[in-house]
Amino acid sequence: SQQGEEDPQALSIQEGENATMNCSYKTSINNLQWYRQNSGRGLVHLILIRSNEREKHSGRLRVTLDTSKKSSSLLITASRAADTASYFCATVEGGANSKLTFGKGITLSVRP
Amino acid sequence: GAVVSQHPSWVICKSGTSVKIECRSLDFQATTMFWYRQFPKQSLMLMATSNEGSKATYEQGVEKDKFLINHASLTLSTLTVTSAHPEDSSFYICSAPKPTSGGYEQYFGPGTRLTVT
Repeated sequence: SQQGEEDPQALSIQEGENATMNCSYKTSINNLQWYRQNSGRGLVHLILIRSNEREKHSGRLRVTLDTSKKSSSLLITASRAADTASYFCATVEGGANSKLTFGKGITLSVRP
Repeated sequence: GAVVSQHPSWVICKSGTSVKIECRSLDFQATTMFWYRQFPKQSLMLMATSNEGSKATYEQGVEKDKFLINHASLTLSTLTVTSAHPEDSSFYICSAPKPTSGGYEQYFGPGTRLTVT
């Protein structure tokens, strides 16, 4: 079953703009992760945020986690055409070596 | 470099035949590996958890007799799609948790695209 639900499901922005994607989940988690997938390709791990963390940064990426609202957001600043891809949040409920449960994904299109 | 590999990267087979997909952890041992399936324009769905030295754990709705999983060593898990049908055509991805200083990090293989004709 799907744990994470991303919002919006599709997002189209102009290059240089910021892109914000949201993810909600239903159960307690150990950590939440964001992945990127280019069409027909494998997954690229972007960032992991643990349940006791509230915010993390990695380059142009900023992730927040609100465990009280069971939600997370991924912000990509100064977007580029190369950021065009599908983005998935995934949650880990058990131990940190447990399975990931993926959301439905967000399709981001960045127009040059 | 890649820490989890899959082989083959793509395969085309005829209906009724069986296909084996390998997932290897390259520089670490994994007592557990995970197999996911992804249909076009959809998300990844967990199929099963592969356990080294014991039976795999299958998710609800996944036929264990159709999708055979063998985790014979600490670095290799195989998924065999038996009696393949066109509806089995999909992107199959494995992952393995690698121990890190902070706990574990999941590493995904590059995926195997299966087309059943």
